[in-house]
Amino acid sequence: DIVMTQSPDSLAVSLGERATINCKSSQSVLYSSYNKNYLSWFQQKPGQPPKRLIYWASSRDSGVPDRFSGSGSGTDFTLTISSLQAEDVAVYYCQQSYSPPYTFGQGTRLEIK
Amino acid sequence: QVRLVESGGGVVQPGRSLRLSCATSGFTFSSYAMHWVRQAPGKGLEWVAVILYDGSHQYYANSVKGRFTISRDISKNTLYLQLTSLRPDDTAVYYCARDVRGSEDYWGQGTQVIVSS
Repeated sequence: DIVMTQSPDSLAVSLGERATINCKSSQSVLYSSYNKNYLSWFQQKPGQPPKRLIYWASSRDSGVPDRFSGSGSGTDFTLTISSLQAEDVAVYYCQQSYSPPYTFGQGTRLEIK
Repeated sequence: QVRLVESGGGVVQPGRSLRLSCATSGFTFSSYAMHWVRQAPGKGLEWVAVILYDGSHQYYANSVKGRFTISRDISKNTLYLQLTSLRPDDTAVYYCARDVRGSEDYWGQGTQVIVSS
């Protein structure tokens, strides 16, 4: 199974500042035939189901603010929030869908400093 | 609009069975792979199972393989998860989700399963 490891486990950032969350997979999630990384990022707020923000490592879902961006390839990925807003307080998860079982990272809790 | 509504959760004794349902609307159910994902109290997300759009293949997390079965009824636009030999560590909120571009785009609100004697 592919193991997904996020860092840090928690993060406190000031409003308007940049937040960066890392995700590392135990093996490559790059599907060479399609040149796509099967890596997604999700945001979960308390009492709500998760919401997908990013798919294929760097493609933003419709309606997701452009302050959210994803980058990386192979085994190392990053979710960046360019200017933190109060509504971005949440737990963030990465997930690989390259090979079942489609494992999630352990989550990163993002708070306001 | 896309809607996913889970049901069937509840309190069940260890070793017993339960069937969860996910009623869908607002999209062509037969065209999409579908997932179940769960979340134990205060814990992170755990992917459980996926079924391909045509029902031809199913894949499971190691923790549920051989005990849970994912299925779908195209005529009812409904996804199912049959849970058997339930254990206390199966206690979680179970979400169904639609697959678009390789991962879960729309999610239901979840149904709670509590395994306790």
